[in-house]
Amino acid sequence: SQQGEEDPQALSIQEGENATMNCSYKTSINNLQWYRQNSGRGLVHLILIRSNEREKHSGRLRVTLDTSKKSSSLLITASRAADTASYFCATDEGGSYIPTFGRGTSLIVHP
Amino acid sequence: NAGVTQTPKFQVLKTGQSMTLQCAQDMNHNSMYWYRQDPGMGLRLIYYSASEGTTDKGEVPNGYNVSRLNKREFSLRLESAAPSQTSVYFCATGQGGAYEQYFGPGTRLTVT
Repeated sequence: SQQGEEDPQALSIQEGENATMNCSYKTSINNLQWYRQNSGRGLVHLILIRSNEREKHSGRLRVTLDTSKKSSSLLITASRAADTASYFCATDEGGSYIPTFGRGTSLIVHP
Repeated sequence: NAGVTQTPKFQVLKTGQSMTLQCAQDMNHNSMYWYRQDPGMGLRLIYYSASEGTTDKGEVPNGYNVSRLNKREFSLRLESAAPSQTSVYFCATGQGGAYEQYFGPGTRLTVT
């Protein structure tokens, strides 16, 4: 069963704009991860945020976690055409430490 | 370092045929995972191995078997392929627990 659900399902923006995608989940978690998947490729890990953290940064990526709302957001600033990909959140249902992936957000960045 | 490798990259099977998908890693990770990815469904866990010598079922194990041959290799076997098993299969590895996973390039399987 899917624990995390990304929103929106699809996002289309122009190069230079910011892209925000959200992930909501149902039960308590130990950590939440974001992955990127380019077309026809395997997933690549972007950021892991633990349940006691509220915000993490990595380059142009900013991830927030609100455990009271059971939600996370991934912000990509100053998007580039190369950011075109699907983005997945993965959560571990409390205690399992086995990540469960959502259905993903498809991001298209137009040059 | 090759990271995580999967063979084959593509495969077409007829219903009822069997095959084994191979996965190998040179990252010295304890945990290995098999996922399938279908359009609109995200990734679903088939089986995982927390350490050499152990395997456990994931969300969708029916129709599959696995073998953790050694620390490096984790294979997925389809004994009697069905059209519902048409999918893209990904192997992943990790340190286990609350750590990130590293994915292979995938195997695209079509069952006719």
